[in-house]
Amino acid sequence: ETVLTQSPGTLSLSPGARATLSCRASETIGSSYLAWYQQKPGQAPRLLIYGASTRATGIPDRFSGSGSGTDFTLTISRLEPEDFAVYYCQQYGNSPRWTFGQGTKVEIK
Amino acid sequence: QVQLVQSGAEVKKPGASVKVSCKASGYTFSHYYIYWVRQAPGQGLEWLGWINPSSGGTHFAPRFQGRVTLTTDASITTAYMDLRSLTSDDTAVYYCTRPPGRGLVQPFDYWGQGTLVSVSS
Repeated sequence: ETVLTQSPGTLSLSPGARATLSCRASETIGSSYLAWYQQKPGQAPRLLIYGASTRATGIPDRFSGSGSGTDFTLTISRLEPEDFAVYYCQQYGNSPRWTFGQGTKVEIK
Repeated sequence: QVQLVQSGAEVKKPGASVKVSCKASGYTFSHYYIYWVRQAPGQGLEWLGWINPSSGGTHFAPRFQGRVTLTTDASITTAYMDLRSLTSDDTAVYYCTRPPGRGLVQPFDYWGQGTLVSVSS
């Protein structure tokens, strides 16, 4: 099974700061089938990025994804108050598909 | 617009079964896979399985094989997840989800509101 390890576990930043979240896979993810989700308390996750770098419909351009192979990054260029949440990466290229990382919490400093 | 509306919270005893429904609207039900995901309290996300509403074909994450059944009723555009032999470890919010496009290998774009299943003696 492809294991996804996210770092850091918690990121403490101020509004307006740049956030860089990492997701490392235990093996190469085929075709860059890597997605990022945002989840706020009491809500379902929201798809932000898929295919490692393609923004989902309606996602602001301050969110960007990059990477390939085993190393992927989600960058939030300037944190807005509504961006403080937990972020998960997910791979859907390797069997068994659709495994998730353990999450990174972005909290207000 | 695409909507997935799930059934309400359930409380079950260990060893029992639970059936969660997911009513889909706003799109052609048979054209998109439905995936099921769960999240234990304070924990991360875990994929359970998928169903193809057109063919009825299913596939499960290895740890749920033999304990989960996924079905659909196209006449009422509803998907169902049936989980048997419940233990306290199955206490979680269960979500149905739909991908952004047709085809199997996709992320999860549309989500139900979640159904809390609590297992306790």
